[in-house]
Amino acid sequence: AAGVIQSPRHLIKEKRETATLKCYPIPRHDTVYWYQQGPGQDPQFLISFYEKMQSDKGSIPDRFSAQQFSDYHSELNMSSLELGDSALYFCASSLVAGELFFGEGSRLTVL
Amino acid sequence: QQQVKQSPQSLIVQKGGISIINCAYENTAFDYFPWYQQFPGKGPALLIAIRPDVSEKKEGRFTISFNKSAKQFSLHIMDSQPGDSATYFCAASSVLKTSYDKVIFGPGTSLSVIP
Repeated sequence: AAGVIQSPRHLIKEKRETATLKCYPIPRHDTVYWYQQGPGQDPQFLISFYEKMQSDKGSIPDRFSAQQFSDYHSELNMSSLELGDSALYFCASSLVAGELFFGEGSRLTVL
Repeated sequence: QQQVKQSPQSLIVQKGGISIINCAYENTAFDYFPWYQQFPGKGPALLIAIRPDVSEKKEGRFTISFNKSAKQFSLHIMDSQPGDSATYFCAASSVLKTSYDKVIFGPGTSLSVIP
């Protein structure tokens, strides 16, 4: 069965640089979510899109932005990277509210 | 402020024993309570979920008990196996596609099942 695809899996950036993460949801899923998970932490909700429109916003820094495109893939753009942005970034998609299917994650390391 | 509380933070269980993880919530807008299992370096995976119109749901060795009046729910893992060693997150959401349709996670429980 098709799963949520995230790229890149690993990313190393310097402080103040910019990073872009991509997410390809499961086909026919209408909602995409982005979560950030620090070491030993629970996933923190960043932002979500329902049918390509932003549906909710969580603790996403102003330096971050995201969008969902016509083919339903989503991108998370992170600028002016800080050391504290180092984390696992997960994308999830759903068709049934609450039943989120997560990707393998993108590990961002900021040096 | 943690919207979903979870305990214990870590749990060690002998193989064949019962693992019990407890969670509590405050927001009555939540009406869907999933549990996620996460292995190191992997994304969380939906394990089992319950809606508040039932008090218990069982899938294989995994059972959710739900107490609506107390706003508490728990996960029981029967006959725990070393392969169950992972971090377990309880979570809450709303199925009504409202502003709460995102899944809010508890802080997680690190389960270790020892042979």
